[in-house]
Amino acid sequence: GAVVSQHPSRVICKSGTSVKIECRSLDFQATTMFWYRQFPKKSLMLMATSNEGSKATYEQGVEKDKFLINHASLTLSTLTVTSAHPEDSSFYICSAGLGGENTEAFFGQGTRLTVV
Amino acid sequence: GESVGLHLPTLSVQEGDNSIINCAYSNSASDYFIWYKQESGKGPQFIIDIRSNMDKRQGQRVTVLLNKTVKHLSLQIAATQPGDSAVYFCAENANAGNMLTFGGGTRLMVKP
Repeated sequence: GAVVSQHPSRVICKSGTSVKIECRSLDFQATTMFWYRQFPKKSLMLMATSNEGSKATYEQGVEKDKFLINHASLTLSTLTVTSAHPEDSSFYICSAGLGGENTEAFFGQGTRLTVV
Repeated sequence: GESVGLHLPTLSVQEGDNSIINCAYSNSASDYFIWYKQESGKGPQFIIDIRSNMDKRQGQRVTVLLNKTVKHLSLQIAATQPGDSAVYFCAENANAGNMLTFGGGTRLMVKP
């Protein structure tokens, strides 16, 4: 199957700083990628849809100025958590698919963000 | 709003027994369903999927059943092994590309 790589896998940052998380499709091109957030013992919640070459589409309640998404190429989407607060600590996961009639989604390994 | 949910948050089974994890969905427009396995600290791992024009699909040791009448999805794992211990999520796709809506998750614990 297709491979999606996410980096870093773990990051600890101080409050007020910004953190960038990368999501790469290694062996396929993805015009659309998805960013999810997962709190401990909870399910994945879609944050936003990342669209190559255009603005991301954010889900209701997700601050676009806080969670900056850039999808500058067909193999890379980045999520930047700006001015991080402890409540932003979470597990962030991206996914991508082959698109078209293939609806299977492939997930990255996830990024554990801890804001101290 | 429409959502996908699960009946049981935790399921404990004996090694070698069969496991059944259930999921209820409410979006009648969903036409593609997937079961994912997630181990601690890792991203979701695809297990098996099924389209709405089917009611059963089998994989290696796993079977997914879809009952569209009552909007119910289940995952059956045969001869459950310790390596099957994880959290299992059902997810649905309602003609939105590769975007998924996830259920609440069920933790499967396999006792040796």
